[in-house]
Parts: sequence; C-alpha cells; structure tokens
Amino acid sequence: DAGVIQSPRHEVTEMGQEVTLRCKPISGHDYLFWYRQTMMRGLELLIYFNNNVPIDDSGMPEDRFSAKMPNASFSTLKIQPSEPRDSAVYFCASSLAMGVHQPQHFGDGTRLSIL
Amino acid sequence: QKEVEQNSGPLSVPEGAIASLNCTYSDRGSQSFFWYRQYSGKSPELIMSIYSNGDKEDGRFTAQLNKASQYVSLLIRDSQPSDSATYLCAVTSANQAGTALIFGKGTTLSVSS
Repeated sequence: DAGVIQSPRHEVTEMGQEVTLRCKPISGHDYLFWYRQTMMRGLELLIYFNNNVPIDDSGMPEDRFSAKMPNASFSTLKIQPSEPRDSAVYFCASSLAMGVHQPQHFGDGTRLSIL
Repeated sequence: QKEVEQNSGPLSVPEGAIASLNCTYSDRGSQSFFWYRQYSGKSPELIMSIYSNGDKEDGRFTAQLNKASQYVSLLIRDSQPSDSATYLCAVTSANQAGTALIFGKGTTLSVSS
C-alpha cells in the first residue's frame, strides 16, 4: 500500500510569497495531521482533520497559515505571506482512527526554506 | 501545557551494547505510548507501541512503561550502527478537541562500530 504522499519534497522561495504544501493520506485513514519540525521546537502539531473536517487548529501559529481538506484523499497547508521563520520541515501524517492505540504514519515531509 | 521530556543526547554506545532511551510525560491520563525512529533527513517511523504497564518486546527492541512514575523507556539490545538515529517518544493526551499525540524532542543515538 502507498504511504502518505507529500509534495513538493523541497521548496525554496522568497519571503512574502505564497507557499502551498500538499498531502495525500493513506487510503481509508480518517484522520490527517499537519506537523512542523524545527531543531528548536521539535515536532509540533499544527492542525488535524477528521473525515475532512478541521478538529483542532490551536497549533496553527498565525493567520498566515491555513489548511484545507476538500476530500478524503487530499489536503493542503498554505502560508501567505511566508516569512523566514517559517523555514522548517513540514510533515503530514494520517491514522486509521484517533486517540488510544492508533499510531500515526508520516509522509516524507516538505523541507521549506524561506529566504 | 502537557509535555513529553527526553534527554537530547547524544547517547553514544559501542556496537553490541544495550542502548537505553528514556522519556517522561506530564499527563497522568495518557493511555498510549509510541516510539518513533527518525533518521537524519527522513520522516519519523513507528517502531514500538505500548499501552499497559510492564515490558513489551519486539526483536531487539523492548519498550517499558510505568504509568505510576509517568515514565516510558526503550531498550535496544545488540545495538548496531544502523540504529544510529533520533528516537522520538510520543504520548497521547486528551484535550477538549480530542486526543492528540504529543512528541518529545527526541534523543539522538550514536552506535559506533
């Protein structure tokens, strides 16, 4: 089975530009998660969806960040306008269900550099 | 703020030795505990899960859980250079929205041949 698929793998852009990250979860998984990983802060949960509905976006750092899940097989994380401090690796993960005993499976990540 | 704490390391062990990685968590209500391995430049990969107090063994890996002490550990026996990676402890924690997975910042393990 295909795992979680993210694109692009790398993104380099100038500050002020719009950045869109994409994710395809594992088929049949009801939950989708967006994380950001930096050396300083580790792996941080930004937002997660259940059956395409955003459940908890308390980790989204600012209004510049937005996420959508228009259907069960696709989600986007958008940053507009981007800033250098947004540089990080962004991971998407999915799980069959939520909570106890349900591990999350991660995509390969998008390494984002804002110049 | 619910937290998961790990020593950042690096933890250095010789090939063939036992590596012991430790993790403490703050939420007494946590029910599920996971260990992820992350190679440099790669994504986290699930290697162990544990839900009940005691030990759980899978090959060279043993996870240990002590809920009373809010402590979970991972032992790697017969450590190999290929085990060199960052190990992330993850713990479920409930909030108003649901149950989230809280990650520690990871312990870097270096196995020398």
